Amino acid sequence: QVQLVESGGGVVQPGGSLRLTCLGSGFTFGNHAIHWVRQAPGRGLEWVTQIWFDGSQKFFAGSVRGRFSVSRDNSKNTLYLQMSSLSADDTAVYFCARDGQQHAPYAFDVWGQGTMVIVSS
Amino acid sequence: QAALTQPASVSGSPGQSITISCAGTSSDVGIYNRVSWYQHHPHKVPQLIIYEVTYRPSGVSNRFSGSKSGNTASLTISGLQAEDEADYYCTSYTTSDTWVFGGGTKLTVL
Repeated sequence: QVQLVESGGGVVQPGGSLRLTCLGSGFTFGNHAIHWVRQAPGRGLEWVTQIWFDGSQKFFAGSVRGRFSVSRDNSKNTLYLQMSSLSADDTAVYFCARDGQQHAPYAFDVWGQGTMVIVSS
Repeated sequence: QAALTQPASVSGSPGQSITISCAGTSSDVGIYNRVSWYQHHPHKVPQLIIYEVTYRPSGVSNRFSGSKSGNTASLTISGLQAEDEADYYCTSYTTSDTWVFGGGTKLTVL
């Protein structure tokens, strides 16, 4: 079945770095843009970034621009979110989500189960 | 980009209809028909229920419908059922090539 699985979450100290991974299966990964969306404890969803199907374009929320980077390896059906200069405000569950493309344009039609990032000393 | 504005909570009795608003600006909701809605049960994965303002993905109940007027989009759930109790989020594509979510609305089925 169509699936996204995140990994790489954990506890990191303020100012530190962490890399999250999103593995896709059950669909042609290289045909889809992918997003990262996060949810801080007790808070709502926040869009973080999008990377185009071929990695040629990347867009970021203002809250992470300059600190986060995103990349993908379509040969491995894998997406990476590199996070640096982390602060307590980055503590959240991080979801990767598939762009619906022609099936559900500008929407997120498949979500992973999320991976928790805790920024704490 | 400021978050879209949703009511913090709404409630209704089984069988009733409720509407959740999602207020944006002329840089997001107002300029594009690129609003989508998500149902999020606690400890589960968000589910897409409406895209491009009014369209339902296959498998989503026709009790869910969407609309838009000016800078405000709305989600209506008719024939409320207990299983509809969840958090609901709107999101819109923006003129900055980014997406912005609403703060979320907690639906309570009385």
